[in-house]
Amino acid sequence: QVQLVQSGTEVKKPGASVKVSCKASGYTFIDFAIIWVRQAPGQGLEWMGRISTYNSKTDYAQNVQGRVTMTTDTSTNTVYMELRSLRSDDTAVYYCAIWAAEDAYFDYWGQGTLVTVSS
Amino acid sequence: DIQMTQSPSSLSASEGDRVTITCRASRVIRNDVAWFQQKPGKAPKRLIFAASSLQSGVPSRFSGRGSGTEFTLTISSLQPDDFATYYCLQYNSYFWTFGQGTKVEIK
Repeated sequence: QVQLVQSGTEVKKPGASVKVSCKASGYTFIDFAIIWVRQAPGQGLEWMGRISTYNSKTDYAQNVQGRVTMTTDTSTNTVYMELRSLRSDDTAVYYCAIWAAEDAYFDYWGQGTLVTVSS
Repeated sequence: DIQMTQSPSSLSASEGDRVTITCRASRVIRNDVAWFQQKPGKAPKRLIFAASSLQSGVPSRFSGRGSGTEFTLTISSLQPDDFATYYCLQYNSYFWTFGQGTKVEIK
């Protein structure tokens, strides 16, 4: 079965970096892009960016561009999202998801990773 | 960036009610809109893609319409399992954007 399994909870200090992993299984990894979405406590969803697992092409949201890097490892079917220079307003649950734009049968999300930024 | 203005931000409704949520885009985005349902503590679930295509396994009481700048999600007869928060997402431009969300509560 298709699964996305994310790495565990992180607690970081302001200015530090965090790297969240998203391991895919159960489908052909390079067939679909991966998107990252975050949700601050009590707030709405925020799109962070996407990465092609086929050619590693990335697009990032303006408000994190310059601080975020998304990468893929096709040997382990894993996508990584690194966020640098963390601030308190980066505290959120971070989700990865398969993006299948026109596929009615593909809607899979990771379980979410809580990242807390606090001094 | 394209802004997605979602309304209402919340609504109270009863089981069996017809509910409509609207998203307006700040410019024309063809039909590049998806709708998601999210329950507390859970990942979002895609209901609709390409403005009106139903995701497999989603009940037919959910429907999406629209093209250009105005999009709607309708629940034809609200069921207990439908009380949740709903978000639209535009994926037309380089930068994708979610609407602010609509919380559907029990009246």
